[in-house]
Amino acid sequence: AQSVAQPEDQVNVAEGNPLTVKCTYSVSGNPYLFWYVQYPNRGLQFLLKYITGDNLVKGSYGFEAEFNKSQTSFHLKKPSALVSDSALYFCAVRDRYGGSYIPTFGRGTSLIVHP
Amino acid sequence: DSGVTQTPKHLITATGQRVTLRCSPRSGDLSVYWYQQSLDQGLQFLIQYYNGEERAKGNILERFSAQQFPDLHSELNLSSLELGDSALYFCASSVDLGGQETQYFGPGTRLLVL
Repeated sequence: AQSVAQPEDQVNVAEGNPLTVKCTYSVSGNPYLFWYVQYPNRGLQFLLKYITGDNLVKGSYGFEAEFNKSQTSFHLKKPSALVSDSALYFCAVRDRYGGSYIPTFGRGTSLIVHP
Repeated sequence: DSGVTQTPKHLITATGQRVTLRCSPRSGDLSVYWYQQSLDQGLQFLIQYYNGEERAKGNILERFSAQQFPDLHSELNLSSLELGDSALYFCASSVDLGGQETQYFGPGTRLLVL
């Protein structure tokens, strides 16, 4: 079975400060991990994914995420937050050797960047 | 713009009615996924089609059904609608079956059941 947790419903950060949105996962094998962002009244947009290789993955809009196998985490980070980063962020996981091709999505974390 | 289109954008209907939501995937994508997003349930996977065939089923009610046509567009049919069916319905597509593939989401259809 595969599952993903986003422990924070909301993250608040001041513009210009670094931001972290947390994600932990559980799979029986090795994971594929994804981050998506949803702006108000829009569909989800792909940010980045970890398939294999380098644990630090760089994505769109200056975001990056670090895969940590020992901590089963895939936290999303950005060195300097922008007000325009305010949105709903979803982490998703799929077990590489699992029977389902469908990723499991977390419940989402609302990021609010204050001017 | 993801390249995935959904119609209609908004739909208001009454309880007991039936509606059809339409999705056109990105050019070349064979997989179509349907999701329901509500405040209390989050993003729920409903069903996946791959090249015209159903491939995976999630938390889809028996009142709901879907199909993918030869031109790869998909329709989600919701019948005997209840107030609790009010939600955002998203379609997503990917090149292949899934796995490591990125899903590209449409803008969604906002359904309001009165």
